[in-house]
Amino acid sequence: DGGITQSPKYLFRKEGQNVTLSCEQNLNHDAMYWYRQDPGQGLRLIYYSQIVNDFQKGDIAEGYSVSREKKESFPLTVTSAQKNPTAFYLCASSISAQGLETQYFGPGTRLLVL
Amino acid sequence: KNQVEQSPQSLIILEGKNCTLQCNYTVSPFSNLRWYKQDTGRGPVSLTIMTFSENTKSNGRYTATLDADTKQSSLHITASQLSDSASYICVVSKGGGNKLTFGTGTQLKVEL
Repeated sequence: DGGITQSPKYLFRKEGQNVTLSCEQNLNHDAMYWYRQDPGQGLRLIYYSQIVNDFQKGDIAEGYSVSREKKESFPLTVTSAQKNPTAFYLCASSISAQGLETQYFGPGTRLLVL
Repeated sequence: KNQVEQSPQSLIILEGKNCTLQCNYTVSPFSNLRWYKQDTGRGPVSLTIMTFSENTKSNGRYTATLDADTKQSSLHITASQLSDSASYICVVSKGGGNKLTFGTGTQLKVEL
């Protein structure tokens, strides 16, 4: 898992509730990413950030929001607009967002809807 | 259609045996191809990364090959161990950035 931590390991969301997933890295990486993993599907990119105070939408950004106020932190909020939030959420980081940089993944957060 | 297709979907082998996992991709333009290992309930861990000009790369008992002409890659695992039981994910990067396209993975189980 390198120097990336995610919390909590499990998270339960009630209908209409916003929840925030934490992602912290101590690798001094500029780039950070959020992915969603569903059974039988490849990881899909939700949001990514190339540098502090900057982020871009990935392929499935609807119903999610992020912030990047600090280099080491990239929290993901799952809003009530996300109608199917149950999934395994993975945060990753890399030295930069360029070409050959390896993305290092955190241990993941499993989000379940009550 | 997924731009990164992996086969087989799942595989069971006996400890000590070798196996080969396949990956075909259509992602273009191609930048690099990576193999990741993901234990159940954990984040993926990088095994290898290969560029267009590389056709083989090893990491211990793991050897990846790449044929950029046919857009195929394989991951060969030698002398399998119980700890090799995991999902192996093929990932392709498009030229010009670090946005990745993930395959759905091959679920490998190594048994005694």
